[in-house]
This record gives sequence, C-alpha cells and structure tokens, in this order.
Amino acid sequence: AQTVTQSQPEMSVQEAETVTLSCTYDTSENNYYLFWYKQPPSRQMILVIRQEAYKQQNATENRFSVNFQKAAKSFSLKISDSQLGDTAMYFCAFMPERRGNEKLTFGTGTRLTIIP
Amino acid sequence: DTGVSQDPRHKITKRGQNVTFRCDPISEHNRLYWYRQTLGQGPEFLTYFQNEAQLEKSRLLSDRFSAERPKGSFSTLEIQRTEQGDSAMYLCASSSVSGVETQYFGPGTRLLVL
Repeated sequence: AQTVTQSQPEMSVQEAETVTLSCTYDTSENNYYLFWYKQPPSRQMILVIRQEAYKQQNATENRFSVNFQKAAKSFSLKISDSQLGDTAMYFCAFMPERRGNEKLTFGTGTRLTIIP
Repeated sequence: DTGVSQDPRHKITKRGQNVTFRCDPISEHNRLYWYRQTLGQGPEFLTYFQNEAQLEKSRLLSDRFSAERPKGSFSTLEIQRTEQGDSAMYLCASSSVSGVETQYFGPGTRLLVL
C-alpha cells in the first residue's frame, strides 16, 4: 500500500513571492506517477502538474515546478510569482503505473493563502 | 470538451433514505473513478470502471454502496439506507487508457445526511 504525507496543513505567502509545498510518499513500486492537484474554495479539483517517476528531469508548467527526489521519495511543488488565484487547497497524489492499480492515493492537503 | 459533470451538486437527505448520484465523464474517456472526500481530508478511492466493467472496489465501499456504468458511458453511485457518516463530497473522475493516465475531476456532489 502507498501513503502520501503532506506535513504543512496551512501556508500563507505574500503575492508575487515564491512558495514551496512539501510532499513525501512511501511505496514499494518502482514505476509510478506523481501529481499535484489544486482545489480552489468551492470549486473543482484541477491538475497542476504531473511527474513520471522514470524521468529524471523535473516537470515544469509555467510558474509551477517540482523538485522530484526519487531516492528520498520526495515531491515538492514550487509556485513562483504567486498570484491571488493560487489560493486553494493543494493535494499531492500518487498512482502506480502497474496495470489494474490505477487509483490515486492523496495526501491530506496544504491550504495555501496568497496575501495581497 | 465539456469536462466531467456530476449531478446533483448538492443533496440533503434524512438518515435511512436512499440517494443516487450521476457522473458523466469526458466523452472519449473509458475509465471512470469514484472518490469520497470528507472535510479536511484528501479524496479516498471508492471504485473504478473501465468501460462497463467494475475493476476494483475499496473496502470503504460497504454493502450499502453500489455503482454502475451501463454501456460504458455515464455512471451512477447509489447509497442505500444512508447514515450520518456518509456525509461527504463524492467526486467523480475520468481518464483515457493511453499515455499518462491523468484523472480529470468533476465538481463533486456534496451529500449531507441529517
């Protein structure tokens, strides 16, 4: 079984600053995917960024980037030039690549507030 | 592409009543997932379908829960004899069996059992 841990229940940062959200996971799988999802208040969950475990290069999507450390089982999300619209719950999620086991395991989330 | 839709968005019911939720996935997606999210927690997997076949059910899914996906299109999740502990957000997601199987989520159905 997999576990995902997000140790920062809440964070806040000034607009335009950079913030890093932490995520660690535990698994015996060798091939898997990692995701960061964003859930704004009263709105649906949307994908922020994903990382394939076999790729050494860290994924980036505009202002969002990850620091993937496979040996340490760490997958942090960095948000640069933070904007008010980044205020949301952020969930880290794990999914094995193995066929027949494609369900997501989520962490408990980090509530991020961007301060004007 | 209209995204994943769920109906209803909110449901209030009395303990002991039956409720049914519907999910319409993204049209070309053949995998459909149900998750449950309680306040302050991340979503937890309930069950998933590939086309019309239900491939896995979580131990969280008691006998009072049943899910179907007739004809491999929309899916329904029924809860019989609801209990207060069933109060949660029920999320549906869909994905395509090709490449990285990113799951795309619907807006959810928020259930309150009184």
